[in-house]
Amino acid sequence: DVKVTQSSRYLVKRTGEKVFLECVQDMDHENMFWYRQDPGLGLRLIYFSYDVKMKEKGDIPEGYSVSREKKERFSLILESASTNQTSMYLCASSLPPPGHGREYNEQFFGPGTRLTVL
Amino acid sequence: GENVEQHPSTLSVQEGDSAVIKCTYSDSASNYFPWYKQELGKGPQLIIDIRSNVGEKKDQRIAVTLNKTAKHFSLHITETQPEDSAVYFCAASLMDSSYKLIFGSGTRLLVRP
Repeated sequence: DVKVTQSSRYLVKRTGEKVFLECVQDMDHENMFWYRQDPGLGLRLIYFSYDVKMKEKGDIPEGYSVSREKKERFSLILESASTNQTSMYLCASSLPPPGHGREYNEQFFGPGTRLTVL
Repeated sequence: GENVEQHPSTLSVQEGDSAVIKCTYSDSASNYFPWYKQELGKGPQLIIDIRSNVGEKKDQRIAVTLNKTAKHFSLHITETQPEDSAVYFCAASLMDSSYKLIFGSGTRLLVRP
């Protein structure tokens, strides 16, 4: 079974702090994603990476950056945390899209990190 | 860009009844429509998906229907059980770039025993 783990389930930080959220997957997936989940807004893509050292902006990248130095690890960085970044953060991984020999492209999610910025 | 609307936001049904969740999408080029289930304290998990060349797909008590002309798709759960209680998300994307899923806002389903 695919396992996606996130470094913390709950995190409390202060405004202005630099915050690192870590995600590790154990299935050698090329693609990794960071989403934030807010009530009534569903899941919104922050950044994704389709290879080591590669990254692409998602729909809401402002205030965030990412790092992927190793295939299994994808980090989300809040350079200067703000209260509007209080949210549930979900990491996911997947194989490449169809057309690379796979029928579909299921995303496997971690359990999430609930971040509170005071 | 693609926009996905999902209704209702909450749904309460009696155990054994059916539940239906509906989604509409805006981009007629979208051709892949997965449904994810998120149980309390866990990340979302894929439960069923459908591609645009198929009108309906079933997996035991779960079925998904797709109407390409109207640009809407629905999740049907029959004979609901308490363990079906969760938040359900629909999503849409292009198959050839389906890493970019656009999710609906979610439906909280409560199955009353």
